[in-house]
Amino acid sequence: AQSVTQPDIHITVSEGASLELRCNYSYGATPYLFWYVQSPGQGLQLLLKYFSGDTLVQGIKGFEAEFKRSQSSFNLRKPSVHWSDAAEYFCAVGEGRSARQLTFGSGTQLTVLP
Amino acid sequence: DAMVIQNPRYQVTQFGKPVTLSCSQTLNHNVMYWYQQKSSQAPKLLFHYYDKDFNNEADTPDNFQSRRPNTSFCFLDIRSPGLGDAAMYLCATSRGGLAVQETQYFGPGTRLLVL
Repeated sequence: AQSVTQPDIHITVSEGASLELRCNYSYGATPYLFWYVQSPGQGLQLLLKYFSGDTLVQGIKGFEAEFKRSQSSFNLRKPSVHWSDAAEYFCAVGEGRSARQLTFGSGTQLTVLP
Repeated sequence: DAMVIQNPRYQVTQFGKPVTLSCSQTLNHNVMYWYQQKSSQAPKLLFHYYDKDFNNEADTPDNFQSRRPNTSFCFLDIRSPGLGDAAMYLCATSRGGLAVQETQYFGPGTRLLVL
């Protein structure tokens, strides 16, 4: 069975600092990987996704993620964090050919200090 | 704008009183999903519809049912809500059809409170 681990429950960074959120997955076949962001009381917004091809994926809001098969990782990065980035971030892996069944990690809560 | 809409955003019900949550979409997607997200936890898939075909997750309690009368609408029915069913319920859609790898688009969620 597939699984997703987000080792950091909570991360605090200062505005303008760089950010890296970790995600490790366990899946036997080619993984389809996603990062979603959730603001308080809101639904999930897709930041970026990886299906195949270039292992460095660009997303919205200045985020990028790098797929590293050898490390079973899909870490999310942003060079300069803005206060509006404070939210909860979920990594997910899609199962099967269509990636229709998503398994989510437990999330990382990001706090941004002024 | 095309989107996934959930109504109401907040729902209060009484212990054991049936409740229905609503989801609609203007994306004309074939697949609609319902997730349950408890506080500080990851979303958990309850079931999904591919067109009219219903797909239940093995561990979804029988207390949870769903209806999809047409492409645009999908309902989540909780027949006898318990205190443990208090959660955020998220609806999502994906294109389906010939798409090989699909992306799910989420609505804003309905927060259910059970008294």
